[in-house]
Amino acid sequence: QKEVEQNSGPLSVPEGAIASLNCTYSDRGSQSFFWYRQYSGKSPELIMSIYSNGDKEDGRFTAQLNKASQYVSLLIRDSQPSDSATYLCAVTGGSNYKLTFGKGTLLTVNP
Amino acid sequence: GAGVSQTPSNKVTEKGKYVELRCDPISGHTALYWYRQSLGQGPEFLIYFQGTGAADDSGLPNDRFFAVRPEGSVSTLKIQRTERGDSAVYLCASSLGSGGAYEQYFGPGTRLTVT
Repeated sequence: QKEVEQNSGPLSVPEGAIASLNCTYSDRGSQSFFWYRQYSGKSPELIMSIYSNGDKEDGRFTAQLNKASQYVSLLIRDSQPSDSATYLCAVTGGSNYKLTFGKGTLLTVNP
Repeated sequence: GAGVSQTPSNKVTEKGKYVELRCDPISGHTALYWYRQSLGQGPEFLIYFQGTGAADDSGLPNDRFFAVRPEGSVSTLKIQRTERGDSAVYLCASSLGSGGAYEQYFGPGTRLTVT
């Protein structure tokens, strides 16, 4: 069974710090990796996608992928209170369109 | 442009009743997905449409659940003889094409409560 594991948190960081969110996955065939942000009572919002090993940066967000270690992470630089949310890691495999999600990590950014 | 829309936003129904949940995908998106999210969990896949046909319904929990997409755009998720365990947020997502590399965008969800 394909699994995606995340530390449920909560992860608490001060405003302006770097938040580091981690995710591991069990299916070595996984090829596409996504980070979604979900505010309380809202639906998941796509913030990053990454498909190849290495880093991908978009503004304050950097996604990192290491397929050999089956590990994907999300770094949020200069964290803001508005970043406080649950961050969901999701993966798909090759032509497999199903997103398999982790349970999410709750991030709290303290002013 | 307009995102994925879902109606109703909230639905309260009694055990044993029938409900329909509607999803209108992003214009031009050919792939449509239904997921279900329980409290404290990530969304779980239910069914996937490419065009009008259900390409994969392996996530539907039992035969009380059924979904259609008759014209390749709007989809309806139908739940018969609802049970309290069906209470969850039902999320619809769409993508430009099928395949794992396509990004899926979610609608606001329908919160279903079965009393």
